[in-house]
Amino acid sequence: GESVGLHLPTLSVQEGDNSIINCAYSNSASDYFIWYKQESGKGPQFIIDIRSNMDKRQGQRVTVLLNKTVKHLSLQIAATQPGDSAVYFCAEAALFGKGTRLHILP
Amino acid sequence: DTEVTQTPKHLVMGMTNKKSLKCEQHMGHRAMYWYKQKAKKPPELMFVYSYEKLSINESVPSRFSPECPNSSLLNLHLHALQPEDSALYLCASSQGTLQDYGYTFGSGTRLTVV
Repeated sequence: GESVGLHLPTLSVQEGDNSIINCAYSNSASDYFIWYKQESGKGPQFIIDIRSNMDKRQGQRVTVLLNKTVKHLSLQIAATQPGDSAVYFCAEAALFGKGTRLHILP
Repeated sequence: DTEVTQTPKHLVMGMTNKKSLKCEQHMGHRAMYWYKQKAKKPPELMFVYSYEKLSINESVPSRFSPECPNSSLLNLHLHALQPEDSALYLCASSQGTLQDYGYTFGSGTRLTVV
């Protein structure tokens, strides 16, 4: 079965606001987590990753937070843009969670 | 080259046909993966090759047969498929093992079984 899951299937965010997408995992031994963005008709695109020895990692406009105590990670997207519309997946190494569709409202 | 290339992009095949999907990467990655993705669902892991050896088979039916001829190529041979096997088939690679960096996905092959 899946070791990771998403809290919400759809998230609508106003353009310019920050987006937060959440993910829970069940395997406390999980060591490596990845966030992907998938646009229609394309393969998943790597956004950012984090290892279990870290709590936070930042990229360009994106931040991943890892809380090992409650087995939860989140993806924060700053100043959300129309081009951020996509489905976002968290993955524990090679295993994907269910996905959240991000809608950007004008 | 930082890409995973999959061919063909689209494939329509009958239930009695034999076809193959191909995947290629030249990033020096030593782990390669096949996934199946149905509409509005996450990619499901099918097979993992690590250093050209099959390391994971996620209980995939034998009508799907993977092959890794060398460290840059990964094939998926298809035979006697069913209409429910219609899906997007994705190939990915990473540096060496499941826990390694560099997961890169191809754009997939859209397979329709008629």
